[in-house]
Amino acid sequence: DTGVSQDPRHKITKRGQNVTFRCDPISEHNRLYWYRQTLGQGPEFLTYFQNEAQLEKSRLLSDRFSAERPKGSFSTLEIQRTEQGDSAMYLCASSLGFGNTIYFGEGSWLTVV
Amino acid sequence: AQSVTQPDIHITVSEGASLELRCNYSYGATPYLFWYVQSPGQGLQLLLKYFSGDTLVQGIKGFEAEFKRSQSSFNLRKPSVHWSDAAEYFCAVLIQGAQKLVFGQGTRLTINP
Repeated sequence: DTGVSQDPRHKITKRGQNVTFRCDPISEHNRLYWYRQTLGQGPEFLTYFQNEAQLEKSRLLSDRFSAERPKGSFSTLEIQRTEQGDSAMYLCASSLGFGNTIYFGEGSWLTVV
Repeated sequence: AQSVTQPDIHITVSEGASLELRCNYSYGATPYLFWYVQSPGQGLQLLLKYFSGDTLVQGIKGFEAEFKRSQSSFNLRKPSVHWSDAAEYFCAVLIQGAQKLVFGQGTRLTINP
C-alpha cells in the first residue's frame, strides 16, 4: 500500500493556459474522487469514478474541467483556459467500495497568475 | 440540504490540556461521519469514522468522538493534547446516494507550550 499519489505537487501557470493533474489511487481501489480546497475552507467534491465510469459531477466542475480514468486505474484532471479563481489545492482520494475508508493524497497546488 | 458545521474556526489550548472540537451535521438519513486532520500544505489523514454501532468511536493518535443523534453532533475529543496535534481538523458526512463527502469548514488547532 503506497498511498494515493498525486503529480505534480505544485503548479504555477499563467491565466489562460491548460494544466493537467494526475492521480494514482491505492492499488485495487475501484473508487476515485477529486476534491478542490481553497484556503480556509474544507474540501469540496468535484467528481467521482467507479472503475472507469464517471458517475457523479459537481456543479463546481465547469465545462473547462474534465476528468478521466481511462483504464480504471490512474486518473487525470484537466483544467482548460485557467482563471485566477481556479487557484486551489486539488485533492484526489480513493476507496475500495462504499462504506470503506476514503484515503486522500497529498494534493496538487495550483496557482494561476 | 446536507451540511456540516464546525462552529469554532480557531481553538488554542495548552499542551497537556483536554480538547473538544465541535461538529454538527444536517442529513436526513443515517449519517456516516468522519474526522480528518490536515497539516499545513498536506493532504487529509483519517482520524476516525462512525458508521453504526457503539456511538463512542476510538481513532488514531488518542482521539475519540461521540455520535449523538439527538443533537446531530459528532464531537472530537482528546484527553491530553501534544504539540504535534497542531493542525486543521475537518468533520465530514458521507452522502450515500451521491457517494461524496461533505466537509465542514474546519477548525484550526493551535497548541501553546
